[in-house]
Amino acid sequence: EAGVAQSPRYKIIEKRQSVAFWCNPISGHATLYWYQQILGQGPKLLIQFQNNGVVDDSQLPKDRFSAERLKGVDSTLKIQPAKLEDSAVYLCASSPGPPSTDTQYFGPGTRLTVL
Amino acid sequence: LAKTTQPISMDSYEGQEVNITCSHNNIATNDYITWYQQFPSQGPRFIIQGYKTKVTNEVASLFIPADRKSSTLSLPRVSLSDTAVYYCLVGGSNYQLIWGAGTKLIIKP
Repeated sequence: EAGVAQSPRYKIIEKRQSVAFWCNPISGHATLYWYQQILGQGPKLLIQFQNNGVVDDSQLPKDRFSAERLKGVDSTLKIQPAKLEDSAVYLCASSPGPPSTDTQYFGPGTRLTVL
Repeated sequence: LAKTTQPISMDSYEGQEVNITCSHNNIATNDYITWYQQFPSQGPRFIIQGYKTKVTNEVASLFIPADRKSSTLSLPRVSLSDTAVYYCLVGGSNYQLIWGAGTKLIIKP
C-alpha cells in the first residue's frame, strides 16, 4: 500500500514570498491533516479535512495560510506571504476513519526555510 | 484544553524495558491517548492507542490509570533502533489534537 506522498521535500524562499505544498493521502482515507513542526517541538495541528470539508481550522493563521482539499483526495497548503517564523517542517497525514480519533499515517514532510 | 507534559529526554541500554510517562491533567471524557515514534527526517509513526486501563500490541504496552490524568508507554527489551523521539497525543473531543513536546530516547549498547 502506498503511503502519504508530499512534495516538494525541501523549499527555500525569501520572506514575503509565497509557497505551496502538496499532499496525496493514502487511497480511501477520508480524513486529512496538515501539521506544522518547528525544530525541537511536537507537531502543531493546522487544519483537518473530512473528505473535502474542513472540520477544524482553529489553529490555522488564516491571514497568511490557506488550505484546500479538492474532490476529497489531494490537498494543498499555501502560505502567502511567508514570514521568518514559518520556517518549519510541514507534515501531512491521513486516516481512514473519523477525524481526531483514528490512527494517522504521516508523509515525510516538506522542510521550509524562510530567509 | 488538554495539555500534555513529557520528559525531554531519557537514556537506557539495549535489552532493558523503557517506560515513558506523559501527564495530561485536563484530559476530556471523550479523548483518546495515542503514542507516536519519530525518526529524523521522517513523519511520526503510530505505536499504540488507548482510552483506559492497559493496551498491549506487538511492540509496546500502554498503561492508563483510572483517573486518566497520565499514561505510560512501555517498550520491552529496547534495541539501538528504538532511538527516536516519542510523542504523546491527546485528542478526540471537538476535533482537538494536542501533541506533547516529545521525549528523545537514546538507547546505548
